[in-house]
Amino acid sequence: ETGVTQTPRHLVMGMTNKKSLKCEQHLGHNAMYWYKQSAKKPLELMFVYSLEERVENNSVPSRFSPECPNSSHLFLHLHTLQPEDSALYLCASTPGTGNYGYTFGSGTRLTVV
Amino acid sequence: GIQVEQSPPDLILQEGANSTLRCNFSDSVNNLQWFHQNPWGQLINLFYIPSGTKQNGRLSATTVATERYSLLYISSSQTTDSGVYFCAVSYAGNNRKLIWGLGTSLAVNP
Repeated sequence: ETGVTQTPRHLVMGMTNKKSLKCEQHLGHNAMYWYKQSAKKPLELMFVYSLEERVENNSVPSRFSPECPNSSHLFLHLHTLQPEDSALYLCASTPGTGNYGYTFGSGTRLTVV
Repeated sequence: GIQVEQSPPDLILQEGANSTLRCNFSDSVNNLQWFHQNPWGQLINLFYIPSGTKQNGRLSATTVATERYSLLYISSSQTTDSGVYFCAVSYAGNNRKLIWGLGTSLAVNP
C-alpha cells in the first residue's frame, strides 16, 4: 500500500454507461494527477489539481470529467466512452507542484465494450 | 517537444546479473526521474536525479545533463526487479508535466 488508493481495480463498462473512478490519498500531499497508460504508448498526463484547483488539462476529451472536492480525493467521471479509452488509469500525488516526490496508486484497469 | 528514448526496450537477465538501462533526452531538462512498474501495475518512484549520481541499495543512477542522458544500474538482480523501468523528464517551459519514455521491460529469471 503506497498511501494512494484507487477504486475500483477493474471496471468493464459499455459505451453508453456512466461510471466514476475514485482516488484517495492521506499523505498530506497538495497536488493530485490523473494519468492514462495505454499499451505501446508513453504515460499520458490527463489532469493536474493543485490545492483542489485544476491547473493542467491536457486536451482531454470532454467524456472525461475530473472532480477534486478536497485535497485528499480525486474523481474521474466517465460517460459515453469509446473502446480506445480502454487503458490503465493511474492516480498520483505529490507534496507540492514541484513535479517530484510522486506516489502512485495501483490503477484502475478500464475496459470499454 | 522533448523526446525521451529508452534502451534497450526489453531485457532478460539471470538472477544475480548486473544491467545498465539508458535514457536519452533531446533537450535540456530540469527534472529527471526513474520509476519502476511491477508486473501488477504499481509504479514506484526510484530516483529524482536531474544531474549527478545517486545510490539506493542495489540500484544507482547517473545523469549527465550536458550530454542529455541518464543511466540506471541494477546490480545483483533479483526476480523482484522484474517489471518496466521508466524514465521521465520535465523542462523549464512546463515544469508541471512529465514527459515519459516507453520504458525498458526487464525480466529476471531465477
